[in-house]
Amino acid sequence: DSGVTQTPKHLITATGQRVTLRCSPRSGDLSVYWYQQSLDQGLQFLIQYYNGEERAKGNILERFSAQQFPDLHSELNLSSLELGDSALYFCASSPRGGARTDTQYFGPGTRLTVL
Amino acid sequence: AQSVTQLGSHVSVSEGALVLLRCNYSSSVPPYLFWYVQYPNQGLQLLLKYTSAATLVKGINGFEAEFKKSETSFHLTKPSAHMSDAAEYFCAVSDRGGYQKVTFGTGTKLQVIP
Repeated sequence: DSGVTQTPKHLITATGQRVTLRCSPRSGDLSVYWYQQSLDQGLQFLIQYYNGEERAKGNILERFSAQQFPDLHSELNLSSLELGDSALYFCASSPRGGARTDTQYFGPGTRLTVL
Repeated sequence: AQSVTQLGSHVSVSEGALVLLRCNYSSSVPPYLFWYVQYPNQGLQLLLKYTSAATLVKGINGFEAEFKKSETSFHLTKPSAHMSDAAEYFCAVSDRGGYQKVTFGTGTKLQVIP
């Protein structure tokens, strides 16, 4: 158990809908990262937040947005969902602002299925 | 831009045999490199990381990796495979700068044959 929690574990929804994925980092960790894992794209970095502020952006679509709250939990919002958004979404946390040597601790993931 | 290439999306070894998972990196600056493991239906877990100290890095579960600058490689090895090693393994490289943007390889699924 990494100490990172993600809810829900599974989510099934329809195209065009909007969903929110939630992540609670390890106690004391300030950075939260979001990743998308799919069969065709592999593991893709989406976005990082550090202590409430956006720190780095990866391959995140405009239909997707995220935020980190004062209690450091984070939410990933996915809107106008398409079939291709079906994937595993991972959250990870690390202690600091993302020093290059920081270990990222991954949550168990949320499996999103868009029908 | 940084990147890692994992050679072989699937590797099969017999129980007790040597495990060798290959990773080559491309980076414009001295890289920081990681190996993560993903067991079925779980998130990723750090196996080991290279942070420019010793070139031979020992990790958990008997795995180790050697950083070879001349070959731009960071291959993962384990002398004797165990059934519990069956998982997907990801090599990753960390970007420079004040934040950590990690680029993952495409992963290698390790099958251990009894």
